[in-house]
Amino acid sequence: QLQLQESGPGLVKPSETLSLTCTVSGDSINSGTYFWGWIRQPPGKGLEWIANVIYGGSTQYNPSLRSRVTISIDTSKNHFSLNLNSVTAADTAVYYCARRRGGSGGLDYWGRGTLVAVSS
Amino acid sequence: QSALTQPASVSGSPGQSITISCTGTSSDVGAYNYVSWYQQHPGKAPKLMIFDVNNRPSGVSNRFSGSKSGNTASLTISGLQAEDEADYYCYSYTTTSTWVFGGGTKLTVL
Repeated sequence: QLQLQESGPGLVKPSETLSLTCTVSGDSINSGTYFWGWIRQPPGKGLEWIANVIYGGSTQYNPSLRSRVTISIDTSKNHFSLNLNSVTAADTAVYYCARRRGGSGGLDYWGRGTLVAVSS
Repeated sequence: QSALTQPASVSGSPGQSITISCTGTSSDVGAYNYVSWYQQHPGKAPKLMIFDVNNRPSGVSNRFSGSKSGNTASLTISGLQAEDEADYYCYSYTTTSTWVFGGGTKLTVL
């Protein structure tokens, strides 16, 4: 059974960089048929797509976050990562990682999510 | 990119059917059949209910169905049950190779 698990600090100071990792277990991340992505949800608000990456390095980014976001994949550790720099309180959210099968639009596996607060 | 438009809330009684709309543009919902729907209970991760407009993942009840007409996609839940009470989100691919969620709809089972 595929499982995704987010990890990273729960508190980040304003202007610093938020770094999260999503560890994939139960399957290899280097299948070329899957896209791996990040989605976030501010407290009490809706979902926002952040970015996707596929084995081989191809990436897609939300235009509103593009200048501050980097997504990367590490096949040796079977995980992928998110870096969001210059954070503000508006970046406080639950961050989810998820998988999408190529040729389909559905995010079929999700992590449980991790709450990241931006505060001094 | 703007979020897809969903009603903020819908409600129905047990056994009834409800439909949640998701309105986009010819650059997202209307452009591809990559529309999916997610159910989210409080404090939980979203769960895929419908993918590619009208396909159900294994294990999802056939009370859930999806459709699309032009720039508007819809999720229909028939035979409402108390456990269906949750937030629902639509999600679509766009012509700029990005993805966008709807604003979310809170379903209340009366």
